[in-house]
Amino acid sequence: NAGVMQNPRHLVRRRGQEARLRCSPMKGHSHVYWYRQLPEEGLKFMVYLQKENIIDESGMPKERFSAEFPKEGPSILRIQQVVRGDSAAYFCASSHAGREDYYNEQFFGPGTRLTVL
Amino acid sequence: AQSVAQPEDQVNVAEGNPLTVKCTYSVSGNPYLFWYVQYPNRGLQFLLKYITGDNLVKGSYGFEAEFNKSQTSFHLKKPSALVSDSALYFCAVRDGGSGNTPLVFGKGTRLSVIA
Repeated sequence: NAGVMQNPRHLVRRRGQEARLRCSPMKGHSHVYWYRQLPEEGLKFMVYLQKENIIDESGMPKERFSAEFPKEGPSILRIQQVVRGDSAAYFCASSHAGREDYYNEQFFGPGTRLTVL
Repeated sequence: AQSVAQPEDQVNVAEGNPLTVKCTYSVSGNPYLFWYVQYPNRGLQFLLKYITGDNLVKGSYGFEAEFNKSQTSFHLKKPSALVSDSALYFCAVRDGGSGNTPLVFGKGTRLSVIA
């Protein structure tokens, strides 16, 4: 059973370009979470999605950032017009959906390290 | 709003000695508490969680954590440290009394086990 997959592992963009980060959850998981980790910092929650629905986007910047989790295919975190401050590691996690699903442990992917030049 | 504090940026311990990584939390409802470990250039690996029940929780790789409600703490412990335990450790909390809320992470504690 493959774990959470993220690609690319490393992404370099110039200021003003777009960054697309992909996350495939573990098999059987239908909940996806995106977190951002700045250097020497902990993880900050960005967005929580279920298939075709955004459940909680309270941690997502209001501009330039968007996320989706379509019925088919991976979840995508999209950053438009990137700036140097967007340089960070972006982690995706997935969890199983159960009756009390929200406290199920989240399984993390290896992350995408975004560098904005 | 919930928060987590990991007061030590770095913990050094000799191999074979017991280790403790500290975590305190603040939530308005029932705390759901988690510990994760991160190795260099890797994602986070789940170690253990406290939801309810016994205050002493046992997890992966010989780690355990003790939930202390009066001190709002959830310190991570291991009786005998290994060099391979050297990594970055994150405590996380979720407010169990507020419906769907995201995990809130501490800043992390870097554990260094010296042979």
